[in-house]
Amino acid sequence: KQEVTQIPAALSVPEGENLVLNCSFTDSAIYNLQWFRQDPGKGLTSLLLIQSSQREQTSGRLNASLDKSSGRSTLYIAASQPGDSATYLCAVDPAGYALNFGKGTSLLVTP
Amino acid sequence: DVKVTQSSRYLVKRTGEKVFLECVQDMDHENMFWYRQDPGLGLRLIYFSYDVKMKEKGDIPEGYSVSREKKERFSLILESASTNQTSMYLCASRGSGSKPYEQYFGPGTRLTVT
Repeated sequence: KQEVTQIPAALSVPEGENLVLNCSFTDSAIYNLQWFRQDPGKGLTSLLLIQSSQREQTSGRLNASLDKSSGRSTLYIAASQPGDSATYLCAVDPAGYALNFGKGTSLLVTP
Repeated sequence: DVKVTQSSRYLVKRTGEKVFLECVQDMDHENMFWYRQDPGLGLRLIYFSYDVKMKEKGDIPEGYSVSREKKERFSLILESASTNQTSMYLCASRGSGSKPYEQYFGPGTRLTVT
């Protein structure tokens, strides 16, 4: 079964910093990879989806990259803001149906 | 915008009760999913459905069943609730179209079994 690991588990940065969240997976045969954001006690909000044929996707201050051969993805957040504080989850789609999730990185951006 | 709704945000039930969690999506998606989320364990798939009346077991189906009688609705059933089923339950859907692979989630149901 596909294993998904996210490092670090928690991160605290001052406002304005650029930061990188890491995700690794054990099987490179994936359909796509999706990054989510989750606020405490809430559902998941999709941030970016990278199809297996793509190398990166961008949305505003967010940029996600995918390197299938090495089993890695990164989520880059530029000019972080306190409103970015949340848990960020990486999920891989191995077969076109359900996702395999990492345990998330809890991000705190301090003013 | 895709919308996935869940019948309750918070639910408190007693041990042994039969519990129904309902999920509705409004985007005509073929695929629907039930996950549970627990601290330290992350999200785990309970069941999913790829069409009406079709279902597949996920990683942790024991103690649960599901029903999909209509395309837009996917129900999770706890036949006899137990305290170890206290958790956050998240429903999701996914279909075809301009974003064929993106999975959308509902707001979650926090279930407490006492």
